[in-house]
Amino acid sequence: NAGVTQTPKFRILKIGQSMTLQCTQDMNHNYMYWYRQDPGMGLKLIYYSVGAGITDKGEVPNGYNVSRSTTEDFPLRLELAAPSQTSVYFCASSYIARSDSSYEQYFGPGTRLTVT
Amino acid sequence: DAKTTQPPSMDCAEGRAANLPCNHSTISGNEYVYWYRQIHSQGPQYIIHGLKNNETNEMASLIITEDRKSSTLILPHATLRDTAVYYCIVLGGTSYGKLTFGQGTILTVHP
Repeated sequence: NAGVTQTPKFRILKIGQSMTLQCTQDMNHNYMYWYRQDPGMGLKLIYYSVGAGITDKGEVPNGYNVSRSTTEDFPLRLELAAPSQTSVYFCASSYIARSDSSYEQYFGPGTRLTVT
Repeated sequence: DAKTTQPPSMDCAEGRAANLPCNHSTISGNEYVYWYRQIHSQGPQYIIHGLKNNETNEMASLIITEDRKSSTLILPHATLRDTAVYYCIVLGGTSYGKLTFGQGTILTVHP
């Protein structure tokens, strides 16, 4: 299993440009998430999905969009990049354990984005 | 989900046990305590979780007080590779697994 993979690893965008951060998982997990982490801070949830075709906003969704057409893929779209979106972006997936209804999240390696 | 309080930093000698405390005094009955760690800007890594019983796995042990208002993560024989930010997170079963990260505890393991 490759786990959770993210592309690209690094990207520099100019203000106003758009891009899509790719996330793929091969563990057949229903739940997927996008977080961002600013320097010296904890991660903040941007969007999440509980299954194909179902997405919902997290704590900091403004400036982003997501889609979930398959179980495996959960891309994050930045439409008009702004300097405030300079951050490290982490994708994650999880399942609900049948034994105790708990969650264990698996994270990707992250995408480091700079907007100038 | 309940809020957690952790010390900002801790030190530990290599080979000794690292005991990381977490306060979650507002935890409710159906909320679990989870621990994750993040090594030098890598993606966070799941360590362990528990509801009210003590738990142990190959990475760590989790001790939860009887009133469930606090817990301690124990790394029994810390190594330099355990230097990381450790996050204690409380999460309910209806939360769809959405994690809320605080500042965590920076654990530094010294030779």
